[in-house]
Amino acid sequence: QQPVQSPQAVILREGEDAVINCSSSKALYSVHWYRQKHGEAPVFLMILLKGGEQKGHEKISASFNEKKQQSSLYLTASQLSYSGTYFCGTESPGANNLFFGTGTRLTVIP
Amino acid sequence: NAGVTQTPKFRVLKTGQSMTLLCAQDMNHEYMYWYRQDPGMGLRLIHYSVGEGTTAKGEVPDGYNVSRLKKQNFLLGLESAAPSQTSVYFCASSRGGNEQFFGPGTRLTVL
Repeated sequence: QQPVQSPQAVILREGEDAVINCSSSKALYSVHWYRQKHGEAPVFLMILLKGGEQKGHEKISASFNEKKQQSSLYLTASQLSYSGTYFCGTESPGANNLFFGTGTRLTVIP
Repeated sequence: NAGVTQTPKFRVLKTGQSMTLLCAQDMNHEYMYWYRQDPGMGLRLIHYSVGEGTTAKGEVPDGYNVSRLKKQNFLLGLESAAPSQTSVYFCASSRGGNEQFFGPGTRLTVL
């Protein structure tokens, strides 16, 4: 039930854009996105509840395609502070918990 | 507000020893979760609770037990530790399906 994330790792220069994908084999009610910096706890970024609805956080936004059971996280004009590992968490209808993907390690270099 | 706190931060056990990890939250959240995080595996749910006195199994519950006697506390027990339980353990809490707030983690090594 663990969603699949791609890519596993990406290196960007400051100012470049990136897309992280999350795909599930199960029907989804919601998708959560979290960022974890090395040695720290994961921190919430956003929740997507409706198909096609995009919710933004500064220069980070995301989309959720219910039919395809997929979500994508868009990081535009990346900053050094964006470095970390990004996890999607998926919630199925009627469930009380999330299944997390294995993460995408994002490194932003000057 | 302290948010979510975990005790202890680090622990080294010998195979077969037992221990309890304590998670406490001061946000009056109904839902609490225990995850383990291993390199390349992401976060895997061990057990969770949707309210005081309730518990449910997650993805990887074997070898662990939990209790939620008080709303603010969620305990994770290892009855007989094994090297395969070496991991970083995170506790989290939430109001239903909303964002989860994570504790700082407990790094456990089983020798």
